[in-house]
Amino acid sequence: NAGVTQTPKFQVLKTGQSMTLQCAQDMNHNSMYWYRQDPGMGLRLIYYSASEGTTDKGEVPNGYNVSRLNKREFSLRLESAAPSQTSVYFCASSLTGDQGYTFGSGTRLTVV
Amino acid sequence: GIQVEQSPPDLILQEGANSTLRCNFSDSVNNLQWFHQNPWGQLINLFYIPSGTKQNGRLSATTVATERYSLLYISSSQTTDSGVYFCAVFANAGGTSYGKLTFGQGTILTVHP
Repeated sequence: NAGVTQTPKFQVLKTGQSMTLQCAQDMNHNSMYWYRQDPGMGLRLIYYSASEGTTDKGEVPNGYNVSRLNKREFSLRLESAAPSQTSVYFCASSLTGDQGYTFGSGTRLTVV
Repeated sequence: GIQVEQSPPDLILQEGANSTLRCNFSDSVNNLQWFHQNPWGQLINLFYIPSGTKQNGRLSATTVATERYSLLYISSSQTTDSGVYFCAVFANAGGTSYGKLTFGQGTILTVHP
């Protein structure tokens, strides 16, 4: 039972490069989320998908795009990476949206 | 949106000591969860506790929803308890926080042997 799987685990980008962070869950959860974690700021929501076919902005969406490819997969894209996007990114899923969150192991992204 | 404040920001203990972590929130909530982030970065769900008290081994949590706070108790602390403890809430009112889990800034716990 893998839970929530994120790839890659580590990535270094140059300013202006693009990349996609992948997330997949095998728990048949309806809702999926992307958070970023920065020192002293907890986890902040970037985008979320309450159900397949829908996506909504969170607290810090600027510079990111998302795709809910199907019920299992929710990807996060950085079109033109900036040093301010250096962070640890977490994907999460939940069955009902208000409880039972499961987090992936995180992606440590450095933009130089 | 809803505000979530945790205290203390940092806590250093000797193994065997007890501790209490606090989470205050600014609006009524449908859900409150406590997470532990271990030193390897993995987030583990400890409690789902929108109200009342729950216990799991050496850990227990109490949420007083009417007074908008929750407490996490750690008894007989061990070095493996080290890490960051997050409180996160799911607001039940309209506004920008509705429909999303909002995290506090966390309490960094260090337990020395």
